[in-house]
Amino acid sequence: QKEVEQNSGPLSVPEGAIASLNCTYSDRGSQSFFWYRQYSGKSPELIMFIYSNGDKEDGRFTAQLNKASQYVSLLIRDSQPSDSATYLCAVRLGGATNKLIFGTGTLLAVQP
Amino acid sequence: DGGITQSPKYLFRKEGQNVTLSCEQNLNHDAMYWYRQDPGQGLRLIYYSQIVNDFQKGDIAEGYSVSREKKESFPLTVTSAQKNPTAFYLCASSIGTLGANVLTFGAGSRLTVL
Repeated sequence: QKEVEQNSGPLSVPEGAIASLNCTYSDRGSQSFFWYRQYSGKSPELIMFIYSNGDKEDGRFTAQLNKASQYVSLLIRDSQPSDSATYLCAVRLGGATNKLIFGTGTLLAVQP
Repeated sequence: DGGITQSPKYLFRKEGQNVTLSCEQNLNHDAMYWYRQDPGQGLRLIYYSQIVNDFQKGDIAEGYSVSREKKESFPLTVTSAQKNPTAFYLCASSIGTLGANVLTFGAGSRLTVL
């Protein structure tokens, strides 16, 4: 089982719809969770991070964390073609390792 | 503007050659990292450094070397011992220690072995 798993996609949504991106992780002691956006050929950029169970909203983006079920999701409301990119989930493992593990990413395609 | 500068953006290497990728940051961040990204795979950590003159191996350090002589600089050398070096290399920095804080990435260096 991979430490951080994401569906590779592509996830295709029409413009204006809600895009839902999911990420599961295996380490129950994980502390922090990050979503990065990566355009093709470019470097990742941080969208959001979340530490506590529940929802965290920032503009059109909402991160949702459920530690009991070991998943974190990213919702993008009113999706725009400019949101088309690969979304990387990153998880900081618990314990002494303090490692940051990245998932393989989900490719999102927003259709005009 | 503060940020991370990686150079070169594109690099071609013949088999058996060592190459060095440059990474410079002016964010006054303590920690710096090198990741490798291959198609269909997540970012994998090569090396990281939390303080000047100290660095630690990541998950895939074999065939790579680094130095941290200055806080601003963290160059990566891809040696001939790295058997499959063709990849996208990303340098990153953070205020604190590994994983504890948000990473800021450079634009990346794409290395191709001919």
